[in-house]
Formats: sequence, C-alpha cells, structure tokens
Amino acid sequence: AQKITQTQPGMFVQEKEAVTLDCTYDTSDPSYGLFWYKQPSSGEMIFLIYQGSYDQQNATEGRYSLNFQKARKSANLVISASQLGDSAMYFCAMRVSGGKLIFGQGTELSVKP
Amino acid sequence: GAVVSQHPSRVICKSGTSVKIECRSLDFQATTMFWYRQFPKQSLMLMATSNEGSKATYEQGVEKDKFLINHASLTLSTLTVTSAHPEDSSFYICSARDGQGAEETQYFGPGTRLLVL
Repeated sequence: AQKITQTQPGMFVQEKEAVTLDCTYDTSDPSYGLFWYKQPSSGEMIFLIYQGSYDQQNATEGRYSLNFQKARKSANLVISASQLGDSAMYFCAMRVSGGKLIFGQGTELSVKP
Repeated sequence: GAVVSQHPSRVICKSGTSVKIECRSLDFQATTMFWYRQFPKQSLMLMATSNEGSKATYEQGVEKDKFLINHASLTLSTLTVTSAHPEDSSFYICSARDGQGAEETQYFGPGTRLLVL
C-alpha cells in the first residue's frame, strides 16, 4: 500500500533555530516523487521542495532542505533559521502513478519569538 | 510561475442546491487536474483525477453522481457538488499539472470554502 506518515501533529521552534519535520513513506513503485507543502491559515498550498526517487543528492531550496534517506523511506524537511512567518501547517506528499499526490496528516509548526 | 485560479473562493448555499467550482490554469495547458477535499484540521484527500476530453477517475468512496467533474478544455476543470448537504461543507482545492513541465510541477489553486446551511 502507498502511504505517507507524519507522526508530529504539532511542533514548536524558537525563532532563528532550525527544525526538522518528519515524514516516512511506503511504496513499492521504483519511481516516485516526494513533496513538501506549506499551508498557512488562508488555505493555499505553497510548494516548498521536491525530491525525486532517483535523485542522488538531497534537495535544497533556500532555507529548506530535504533529508532523503531512501533505505529508511524517510523524507524529513529541515527548515533553518526559522522565522515567525514559517508558522503554518506542513504537509509531506508522495506522487504516485498517474501523477496524483497522497498526503500525510500534516504537522502544525509554531515559531516562537 | 504558473498560476491556477479557483472560483468562487467562498460560497454559502442552502441544502439541496448545486454548487459549481471552477479551476483554471492561467498560463499553461493542464491535461490533468486533480480535485481534493480538506476538512478542518485534516489532510487533503484526493477526490478525483480530471483528464481533458475524457471521464474523470474517482477515488474509492467518492460518489461520481454527487461530485460531477467536467474537464472541457486544457485550461478549465469544473467540480459540481449536486444537491449539497451540510456534510459536504469543506475546503475544496484543485491542482493542475503542466503537461510541458517537469515531473514535479503541480500547481495548486487557492481553494474554495463551501458552507452548506
């Protein structure tokens, strides 16, 4: 079965500190893609970062990096130098056959001043 | 970057009425669009895959006669919630794949909040 699991319903981080949001996945497909999205209270889904299953290096986009451990089937998001504006829901997602995405349960991140 | 729009952004309707939600790709052609539903404090659940010029593919448990999807052109997909009831109140969000783009390109609309009274 194809599944995405986020085990942290909520996380707190101090402003300017780094935080890691966990994500594990399960699939038997050899080719897949992993995404992280940010969803603020407005509801829009903001694309943060993408990792392809065949990518050799971990993806990075500015303050976001993806710690991809294929053998462990994990794709944790690391946010460095947290900002107050980072407070939001964060969803990990996996692209499966046909291009559709399946999402994890989400993690609510709160950045403390 | 690519933009996907949704209309309306918010709708309140009476029980028993039908509501149409539009999803448009503004600067690219989307051969495939996806419709998701999200209840408060929950994750996004895929409802159906909309392919231009063909019938939509619905996920298990989603009533195709209740949620009508039409993908009439490469830039427009519509979701119609027929005979809406209070339990249909939710956040509906679409996404579109750029057929010319890389595998990771999937753009989300801003979503539509539906409240059925």
